[in-house]
Amino acid sequence: GQNIDQPTEMTATEGAIVQINCTYQTSGFNGLFWYQQHAGEAPTFLSYNVLDGLEEKGRFSSFLSRSKGYSYLLLKELQMKDSASYLCAVWHDYKLSFGAGTTVTVRA
Amino acid sequence: GAVVSQHPSWVICKSGTSVKIECRSLDFQATTMFWYRQFPKQSLMLMATSNEGSKATYEQGVEKDKFLINHASLTLSTLTVTSAHPEDSSFYICSARSRGTGRSNEQFFGPGTRLTVL
Repeated sequence: GQNIDQPTEMTATEGAIVQINCTYQTSGFNGLFWYQQHAGEAPTFLSYNVLDGLEEKGRFSSFLSRSKGYSYLLLKELQMKDSASYLCAVWHDYKLSFGAGTTVTVRA
Repeated sequence: GAVVSQHPSWVICKSGTSVKIECRSLDFQATTMFWYRQFPKQSLMLMATSNEGSKATYEQGVEKDKFLINHASLTLSTLTVTSAHPEDSSFYICSARSRGTGRSNEQFFGPGTRLTVL
């Protein structure tokens, strides 16, 4: 089976930085996605990494190390609206496998 | 950006009835559509992959006779939950993969359909 692991919950203060780690072991690898999902809504795309290194996009950055099977999503200057679930997903064998998601709670 | 719609957004039905959920790509042609199911506080689980004009490929443990998928055109896929039971109550989400997008593996997600079976 496919294993994609990420922490269940994280809490941080408004304005702070939070890093969500994701490790994966999949039968193949053709890219890693990060999605944001608010309760009762569909996931929205945040980032995509297919090569090693850091991809920066405004307040969000994502890093990938294929040799280590590791990625992280970095959320900077946290805002209350960033409270959501963050899903790590690996594209392999023509499909996406998702981690269980990390619920981030931003406190005032 | 690419938009995917789902209809209905929520549905309540009696046990034993069938429910059809539509997934449409509004401004692009979708070579492949995916159907996911998400139970509360759990992640998305892929149910099946459907390519236009061919039979869907189901994931292990998903009953193809219970979850009927039709992908009749490049913009429409339907999921029919036949003889629904309370354990089928879940959030069903479709996604579509576009032809010719720069990130060719990217999927665009629909807003989801909340199914409650009484």
